[in-house]
Amino acid sequence: KQEVTQIPAALSVPEGENLVLNCSFTDSAIYNLQWFRQDPGKGLTSLLLIQSSQREQTSGRLNASLDKSSGRSTLYIAASQPGDSATYLCAVRGDSNYQLIWGAGTKLIIKP
Amino acid sequence: GAGVSQSPRYKVAKRGQDVALRCDPISGHVSLFWYQQALGQGPEFLTYFQNEAQLDKSGLPSDRFFAERPEGSVSTLKIQRTQQEDSAVYLCASSLESDGGSNTGELFFGEGSRLTVL
Repeated sequence: KQEVTQIPAALSVPEGENLVLNCSFTDSAIYNLQWFRQDPGKGLTSLLLIQSSQREQTSGRLNASLDKSSGRSTLYIAASQPGDSATYLCAVRGDSNYQLIWGAGTKLIIKP
Repeated sequence: GAGVSQSPRYKVAKRGQDVALRCDPISGHVSLFWYQQALGQGPEFLTYFQNEAQLDKSGLPSDRFFAERPEGSVSTLKIQRTQQEDSAVYLCASSLESDGGSNTGELFFGEGSRLTVL
């Protein structure tokens, strides 16, 4: 059974720092991996999707990498801003279905 | 509407009451998902619809949970005889694609319905 773990559970850094969020999964037979952002009391917003054949995806200040063989993905946030404060969740989709298996998220606080 | 709309946003129920949670997906979206998110946890899959067909209900935790999408648009998640362990945020998501956004990642979430069972 696929399990997804995110470390750390919470992170607080000063504005302007570059940071890395980690996601690990136990079964490397994934279809793709997706990073989402969740603001308090709000729904989830998709940030980046990496297909199993890809190594990384970039969107603005965000860069997500995928290493299937080691079961790991990282989300790199450059030049962090207070508006980046949110919970970041990663989710993997298995080879043969549409279900997403989620990590518990990393709660990120960017201090002005 | 412009996005996925869920109602009510907040619901407090006494143990044993029945509740109904509504999801209005983006117009024209084929796929619709329900997820349950406990405090401090990631969402857990409940059920999946493709148009009006419920293709997967393997995530529904018990027979007290029932979901429907009779006309392929609005969906209702019903919980009978609520228990305290049902307290969670219930998230609805929709996708234009019949594969639920598997390839594009185009999956749009509502803001959720927070259920508290006393």
